[in-house]
Amino acid sequence: SAVISQKPSRDICQRGTSLTIQCQVDSQVTMMFWYRQQPGQSLTLIATANQGSEATYESGFVIDKFPISRPNLTFSTLTVSNMSPEDSSIYLCSVEARQGFEAFFGQGTRLTVV
Amino acid sequence: GQNIDQPTEMTATEGAIVQINCTYQTSGFNGLFWYQQHAGEAPTFLSYNVLDGLEEKGRFSSFLSRSKGYSYLLLKELQMKDSASYLCAVPGSSNTGKLIFGQGTTLQVKP
Repeated sequence: SAVISQKPSRDICQRGTSLTIQCQVDSQVTMMFWYRQQPGQSLTLIATANQGSEATYESGFVIDKFPISRPNLTFSTLTVSNMSPEDSSIYLCSVEARQGFEAFFGQGTRLTVV
Repeated sequence: GQNIDQPTEMTATEGAIVQINCTYQTSGFNGLFWYQQHAGEAPTFLSYNVLDGLEEKGRFSSFLSRSKGYSYLLLKELQMKDSASYLCAVPGSSNTGKLIFGQGTTLQVKP
């Protein structure tokens, strides 16, 4: 199993500002994933963070709004830029298990934009 | 593409059995996952099915029928702590490790 530390756990931000969320894994992993969970909704994949290359974004998500860094095999950041109240969600990072497909999740960042 | 459908809400009584259904349409098939998510917490893995049939793990069992594009999660001897959302998910296309989630089923267990 993988232990994933994500911070901050929650934040309240002013509209128009940006927040960077950090995700640290206790072992090296090839791919890390960032999901968004809007209130009362299920998880939607934002992007796949690949070490050494640009992130791959899903339909409806763009790099300007959600820039991602992946400087090494154990760490990634997601920035939510120019925030609006619609960005209020839980943001989760995830990694695929080394063996098999089981995904492990960080504890999530609960973001409220006011 | 992938499409996953599951009921939005279910209610059951403590000590009873509940079955949560999930139907899916995928281009290719690389297994199906069930996750449990308590309010305010991250999802935790429950089961993974890639072959047809029933997989039993304590009070929880998961069933898969690939020909019907259908799975269910069976919870026995329900406890109050089982009140949570249950998420059905399939790997994304090209098997890159990402998951596509259904909308989740919120289960409320009542005394």
